[in-house]
Amino acid sequence: GESVGLHLPTLSVQEGDNSIINCAYSNSASDYFIWYKQESGKGPQFIIDIRSNMDKRQGQRVTVLLNKTVKHLSLQIAATQPGDSAVYFCAENNNTDKLIFGTGTRLQVFP
Amino acid sequence: EADIYQTPRYLVIGTGKKITLECSQTMGHDKMYWYQQDPGMELHLIHYSYGVNSTEKGDLSSESTVSRIRTEHFPLTLESARPSHTSQYLCASSDPGHLHEKLFFGSGTQLSVL
Repeated sequence: GESVGLHLPTLSVQEGDNSIINCAYSNSASDYFIWYKQESGKGPQFIIDIRSNMDKRQGQRVTVLLNKTVKHLSLQIAATQPGDSAVYFCAENNNTDKLIFGTGTRLQVFP
Repeated sequence: EADIYQTPRYLVIGTGKKITLECSQTMGHDKMYWYQQDPGMELHLIHYSYGVNSTEKGDLSSESTVSRIRTEHFPLTLESARPSHTSQYLCASSDPGHLHEKLFFGSGTQLSVL
């Protein structure tokens, strides 16, 4: 197929600021969620995961928040760096053998 | 770093050619997957395998086929490539010891069919 000009949701942040990337999921039965980072020309890389019995989980410079009431997931990146520039995907598992990926968000970090 | 490798990284071929995309992992994972991803779009599962001699079709219909003769190897084949097959193909594997599916991805093969 042809490549067309696709308009990914884009978040532009200044280096050093905090970033918040949001994701809405559709299946209330989903009980496990993952955030992936995909840099240009590379495969997705695992960042952080969270189970549905948790509301918040922290990693190194990253925090994932889960709001099951409104089926919303967010990824917070503290002190965003140029190396954080990438497309970020959330994914959910609804007790099947497969992950379901959402549409990505492009994070652009400018100096 | 995940030990999962895909070759070739880039492939440009003419319509009608038969191609095989290679994927190998050295982690001993039983489950392996193929995803198709168009530029800037989400990943769509096209094939997966629970282990040797197991292959299943994914959520997105694909004219490609896969085989799983060895645990570490999960090649994808297109018998007759067409321009509509132009896309990025991502291979992944997961550790069955995980309660849920934490996937490790290869770097992908960018396929262009002219």
